[in-house]
Amino acid sequence: SQQGEEDPQALSIQEGENATMNCSYKTSINNLQWYRQNSGRGLVHLILIRSNEREKHSGRLRVTLDTSKKSSSLLITASRAADTASYFCATDGRGSTLGRLYFGRGTQLTVWP
Amino acid sequence: NAGVTQTPKFRVLKTGQSMTLLCAQDMNHEYMYWYRQDPGMGLRLIHYSVGEGTTAKGEVPDGYNVSRLKKQNFLLGLESAAPSQTSVYFCASSYSFERERHEQYFGPGTRLTVT
Repeated sequence: SQQGEEDPQALSIQEGENATMNCSYKTSINNLQWYRQNSGRGLVHLILIRSNEREKHSGRLRVTLDTSKKSSSLLITASRAADTASYFCATDGRGSTLGRLYFGRGTQLTVWP
Repeated sequence: NAGVTQTPKFRVLKTGQSMTLLCAQDMNHEYMYWYRQDPGMGLRLIHYSVGEGTTAKGEVPDGYNVSRLKKQNFLLGLESAAPSQTSVYFCASSYSFERERHEQYFGPGTRLTVT
């Protein structure tokens, strides 16, 4: 399976702290994406990093990708209570043109005020 | 734009009943997907479509059928519901691979309970 696996399964921090989530995957990819899911809602795309990129920023989000280790990390800086959600990484398959994504089981982030 | 919408939001079925879940998108996306989400399992792809009139099986297609007669709609059917199909169902859509826009846009989900 190409499914990504997030680590940790759950993370609990105080507002203002940084949150780091990791994702490992098994096969070569074209790109890796991170999504957020608030309770009872659909997933929302956060950021995409291509296989030839090592780091990408978007606001308070920083994503890194290490294709040699088949791993990625998502860093949320200065977290807020509103960041409380589940975070999923999703990978495609190198050479695939079908748009299929393989999602991990997610990291549940809780940010306490 | 409404984005991706799903109908209904909630449904309770008895074992053996049938139903159809409707997904609609107004972004002119070529690709559409149906996922199910179960606790601790993440999202699993049921079926997907890369264009009007085309469908393909995903990771867990058994017990489901789909149709994409119009580009903006993707229907998921359960012919004979089973308790194992109790889940939250998400529809998503995206541009085609060639457009270099790979993010998927998700609907709000349908919570289905089969008793």
